[in-house]
Amino acid sequence: SQQGEEDPQALSIQEGENATMNCSYKTSINNLQWYRQNSGRGLVHLILIRSNEREKHSGRLRVTLDTSKKSSSLLITASRAADTASYFCATAQGGSEKLVFGKGTKLTVNP
Amino acid sequence: EAGVAQSPRYKIIEKRQSVAFWCNPISGHATLYWYQQILGQGPKLLIQFQNNGVVDDSQLPKDRFSAERLKGVDSTLKIQPAKLEDSAVYLCASSNRARLMSEQYFGPGTRLTVT
Repeated sequence: SQQGEEDPQALSIQEGENATMNCSYKTSINNLQWYRQNSGRGLVHLILIRSNEREKHSGRLRVTLDTSKKSSSLLITASRAADTASYFCATAQGGSEKLVFGKGTKLTVNP
Repeated sequence: EAGVAQSPRYKIIEKRQSVAFWCNPISGHATLYWYQQILGQGPKLLIQFQNNGVVDDSQLPKDRFSAERLKGVDSTLKIQPAKLEDSAVYLCASSNRARLMSEQYFGPGTRLTVT
């Protein structure tokens, strides 16, 4: 079963615009992670936010976490064509390192 | 540091045949994972190893799938016999157990097509 659900399923924007993706989950978590997957390749870790954190930044990425609403958002600012990829949220629950992934958001950045 | 290595990158087999995938994790990473990613979905964990012991194999179809990590380093995942619904990308990942609940590093995956 998949814990996280990303929204929207697909997003198409112009280069330079900001892209926002949302993730909702069902059970309590230890941390939430965002990964990127370029077409036909493995996943690349982007950012990890712990359950006691509310916001985190990494370069052009900004992640927020609202544990009361069981949701997270990933903001990519000043998008580039190279940001075109699928983005997945993944949650780690309990004492396990097991990650449960959502179905992902497919982002297309048009030059 | 070198990343997670997987082979082969692509494999096409007929249903009822067997297939094996190989993974070499990042040096020093004690935890190794195998995921199945069906087209249009997120990865689903099949099995998790801690060194050479199994931590979680609750979603592994044990009637046809098997995995081992004999010396706590390389791992193989086998499917025998394959079904059409096994067509997917099989991803291997590793993580550094010393950093609890840390990020996972993924290999490029093996794309399996069962005809």
